[in-house]
Amino acid sequence: NAGVTQTPKFQVLKTGQSMTLQCAQDMNHEYMSWYRQDPGMGLRLIHYSVGAGITDQGEVPNGYNVSRSTTEDFPLRLLSAAPSQTSVYFCASVGRGQTSQETQYFGPGTRLLVL
Amino acid sequence: AQSVTQPDIHITVSEGASLELRCNYSYGATPYLFWYVQSPGQGLQLLLKYFSGDTLVQGIKGFEAEFKRSQSSFNLRKPSVHWSDAAEYFCAVGSNNAGNMLTFGGGTRLMVKP
Repeated sequence: NAGVTQTPKFQVLKTGQSMTLQCAQDMNHEYMSWYRQDPGMGLRLIHYSVGAGITDQGEVPNGYNVSRSTTEDFPLRLLSAAPSQTSVYFCASVGRGQTSQETQYFGPGTRLLVL
Repeated sequence: AQSVTQPDIHITVSEGASLELRCNYSYGATPYLFWYVQSPGQGLQLLLKYFSGDTLVQGIKGFEAEFKRSQSSFNLRKPSVHWSDAAEYFCAVGSNNAGNMLTFGGGTRLMVKP
């Protein structure tokens, strides 16, 4: 298993540009989430999905869109990038099991710089 | 709204010394609590989690945490720190045991002196 993969690893955008951060998992996990990490603030939840076709907003959804057409993929779209979106973005996935054995897996992150 | 506070931004300990990282949470219902570790330039790895039962939870890499409802705390401990433990540690609270919708604390950066 590759686990959770994210592309690209690093991206520079100009204000107003759009882009999509890709996230894929090969563990057949129902739950997937996007977080952003900023210094001193930990990680904050942007959007999450509990299954294909189902998404919802997290703590900081403004400026971001998501969709979940397949179980494997959960892309994050920035329609018009702003400098405030400069951050490190992490995708995560976890199965929907109700046991204590379930573990959330994080991807390696995408570092985004908006100029 | 749920929240997590990690009062210590930086902690430095000597190798072989004991470690305690503090975490306080605010949550209206039964909390699901997690500790994650992040090495530089890496994603997050789950150390341990609590959602019911014994309030002392054992995790990977020799870490443990104790849930104290009366103090709204979930402190992380390790009896003897190794140089490889140097990393950033995050406490988080969730609304279910899957941990797919987490609220994180600001993190504590641990440095280990030889």
